[in-house]
Amino acid sequence: GENVEQHPSTLSVQEGDSAVIKCTYSDSASNYFPWYKQELGKRPQLIIDIRSNVGEKKDQRIAVTLNKTAKHFSLHITETQPEDSAVYFCAASLPGPGGTSYGKLTFGQGTILTVHP
Amino acid sequence: DTGVSQDPRHKITKRGQNVTFRCDPISEHNRLYWYRQTLGQGPEFLTYFQNEAQLEKSRLLSDRFSAERPKGSFSTLEIQRTEQGDSAMYLCASSGSGQSYEQYFGPGTRLTVT
Repeated sequence: GENVEQHPSTLSVQEGDSAVIKCTYSDSASNYFPWYKQELGKRPQLIIDIRSNVGEKKDQRIAVTLNKTAKHFSLHITETQPEDSAVYFCAASLPGPGGTSYGKLTFGQGTILTVHP
Repeated sequence: DTGVSQDPRHKITKRGQNVTFRCDPISEHNRLYWYRQTLGQGPEFLTYFQNEAQLEKSRLLSDRFSAERPKGSFSTLEIQRTEQGDSAMYLCASSGSGQSYEQYFGPGTRLTVT
């Protein structure tokens, strides 16, 4: 099955700095890579995602890059703000059963991001 | 609120009791997923439905766990003979089909087994 490794486990930055979180996956057939933000006691919230036919995607201060050859993908947050403080999870999805394009998500272990004012 | 909803939000039970959780997906979504999350970890896949068909079940899921989605709308997850190791947050997510593949999570049901 798929295995996703995420680094670093904790990340502390000053407000305005950039933050980068990296993930590697094991199965080259994985085709969908979402990132979730989870605040304490809240549900995981989808913040950005990328499909395997795209190398980079950007949404305002957030960007994700994918290197299929190396089987790794990264989340980049620019101009960090205190409200960006949360746990961030990467995930990967293999094609689902029964010919479905996407299936279950396999998550990384999470990164606790702290943005200091 | 048109998001994914779960009920109850919290459940405290004694070891050996049975518990059942409910998930209502986003109305137009035909896929429904159950995950379990323990403190400090990412969500772990349990099982997955497309409409009423259970397409995949984790090998980690013991026989004490069963899930249903009888009419392809809401789903229930039952845990029989609960153990302390079952204490976790149980998350439900839903997604559409075709190009609408993003999974949106509900608020979760926090289970505490005493």
